[in-house]
Amino acid sequence: DQQVKQNSPSLSVQEGRISILNCDYTNSMFDYFLWYKKYPAEGPTFLISISSIKDKNEDGRFTVFLNKSAKHLSLHIVPSQPGDSAVYFCAASAGGTSYGKLTFGQGTILTVHP
Amino acid sequence: DAGVTQSPTHLIKTRGQQVTLRCSPKSGHDTVSWYQQALGQGPQFIFQYYEEEERQRGNFPDRFSGHQFPNYSSELNVNALLLGDSALYLCASSWRTGGPSPLHFGNGTRLTVT
Repeated sequence: DQQVKQNSPSLSVQEGRISILNCDYTNSMFDYFLWYKKYPAEGPTFLISISSIKDKNEDGRFTVFLNKSAKHLSLHIVPSQPGDSAVYFCAASAGGTSYGKLTFGQGTILTVHP
Repeated sequence: DAGVTQSPTHLIKTRGQQVTLRCSPKSGHDTVSWYQQALGQGPQFIFQYYEEEERQRGNFPDRFSGHQFPNYSSELNVNALLLGDSALYLCASSWRTGGPSPLHFGNGTRLTVT
């Protein structure tokens, strides 16, 4: 039972354009959502998060949007840079003591072309 | 400020053997979680340790066990290794604030079972 899904295995974008990565979830108990970036031979690096009480959170070039009714979140990267090329994972957790337990999607490989 | 450190970086074991992986959390963090990442998949939650006790557990058999020490460092032990245990094992740490906070990951230990 895949509770967090990233349906696009890969995405290719031109440098300077917008990258939009999508994620869907099924568990209504999830109330905290995160995006991580992963380079080969490194661990996941935290990018940005959003609590379910918000529908948008921005940090520099990165913006996460949450649509609770659709159980959908997206990560926008503007403008995209070649250094953004990596695997992006969305993750979700439920409240209370479960915050340390993240459920991850399968990942989307982002390639930004110069 | 040291991040999450894991050792060893790579390990090759034979089916049926036992293995111990080690993790030191990020400075100031008191909670350690372990994840298994198979090739092409997102990380899967194994368990979480806080105050030297296992607090949450994912869907992994009892062959997977752990320990947390008074200095917050942690070990993951896997007994009776199977070929399917070959994966990247990630350790993540956080501060148990009672509210949502991102996990910080180490670079992982790549375990190969032959």
